[in-house]
Amino acid sequence: AQSVTQLDSHVSVSEGTPVLLRCNYSSSYSPSLFWYVQHPNKGLQLLLKYTSAATLVKGINGFEAEFKKSETSFHLTKPSAHMSDAAEYFCVVSDRAVEYGNKLVFGAGTILRVKS
Amino acid sequence: NAGVTQTPKFQVLKTGQSMTLQCAQDMNHEYMSWYRQDPGMGLRLIHYSVGAGITDQGEVPNGYNVSRSTTEDFPLRLLSAAPSQTSVYFCASSITPTGFYEQYFGPGTRLTVT
Repeated sequence: AQSVTQLDSHVSVSEGTPVLLRCNYSSSYSPSLFWYVQHPNKGLQLLLKYTSAATLVKGINGFEAEFKKSETSFHLTKPSAHMSDAAEYFCVVSDRAVEYGNKLVFGAGTILRVKS
Repeated sequence: NAGVTQTPKFQVLKTGQSMTLQCAQDMNHEYMSWYRQDPGMGLRLIHYSVGAGITDQGEVPNGYNVSRSTTEDFPLRLLSAAPSQTSVYFCASSITPTGFYEQYFGPGTRLTVT
């Protein structure tokens, strides 16, 4: 069975400093991995995805994530935080071996706070 | 394209009442799904559909019904609302059922059951 663990429920950084949001996953097959962002009272927006191409994935707004199979991790990073990055971030795994269902399994979320 | 739309945005129900949350997409996506979001639990899959006429249960289906008579629409019915169903509900769609493609989410419906 698939599962996702986001290692921090809250992360606080100062504007202009690096961001690291940690995610470990468990999957029986070769997974697809996603990071979604949710701003307050909004829906979810895709930041980036890994689907077996390059292990370093670049997304929108300067975010990137590295798929590390040996560590079963997919941590999200950004070199320099901006105030507009304050939001909740979800790490998500999908089992690509499943023909039907596209069942996404969500982590519990990490709330990112950016201090001025 | 409007993308994925949901109505209503907010709803308050009394215990035992029934209602339908509406979801529509105009992207001709095969796959549609319903999630509920509760604090500290991420999103959990309620029901999903891989095409018109085909639906299946997700992780937390009890108390909810769905049907998919058209590609565009995927309504979620609460049969007899309970306080445990107080949550934010998101509808999502994707090109295909497989795991390669992103899902597009609607703006959500915030439901309170008293």
